[in-house]
Amino acid sequence: AQSVAQPEDQVNVAEGNPLTVKCTYSVSGNPYLFWYVQYPNRGLQFLLKYITGDNLVKGSYGFEAEFNKSQTSFHLKKPSALVSDSALYFCAVRAGSSNTGKLIFGQGTTLQVKP
Amino acid sequence: DGGITQSPKYLFRKEGQNVTLSCEQNLNHDAMYWYRQDPGQGLRLIYYSQIVNDFQKGDIAEGYSVSREKKESFPLTVTSAQKNPTAFYLCASSFPVSGNRYNEQFFGPGTRLTVL
Repeated sequence: AQSVAQPEDQVNVAEGNPLTVKCTYSVSGNPYLFWYVQYPNRGLQFLLKYITGDNLVKGSYGFEAEFNKSQTSFHLKKPSALVSDSALYFCAVRAGSSNTGKLIFGQGTTLQVKP
Repeated sequence: DGGITQSPKYLFRKEGQNVTLSCEQNLNHDAMYWYRQDPGQGLRLIYYSQIVNDFQKGDIAEGYSVSREKKESFPLTVTSAQKNPTAFYLCASSFPVSGNRYNEQFFGPGTRLTVL
């Protein structure tokens, strides 16, 4: 079965420090992976995706993610956190070999960046 | 939130009532989706549609219904059969999957439904 896990409910980091939000996945076939961010009472905003190619993917707002096939991980990273990065982050994976566009979402990780 | 609008932003429903949530997009996307978001559970897929006049059940379709009469619109009806409808509902759309292109979904701002 396809699944995605975000092992941390909350990540706390000081402003200016690097941040990592973890995501692991379980899929059959090629993994298509996505990161989204959600601010309170808003919809999700797309940050970045990995479909194929370089393992390091760069996205919006200075975020990047590293695809690691051997560890089945797709951790979200940023070299220097901002207070405004505080939000709920979701990792998502394509549902199976689906060509329907369906995604399976992790349960989300709250990122808290303190001044 | 891109070119996707959802209305209303807040909706209150009495038990036993059906309510319809609106979702409209002007992104020329073929595919549209409805998700339900509950605290600590991420997003769960209710229904999705890849093309006009066609839609499929997602993981939690019981108690919900949809229609896709126009490319731009994908309304969701929460029926009285849905036992626990209080949640945040998100609509999304995307271009269809084509070859190796698995396109990201664009989300609307959401509708918060509360059953009184």
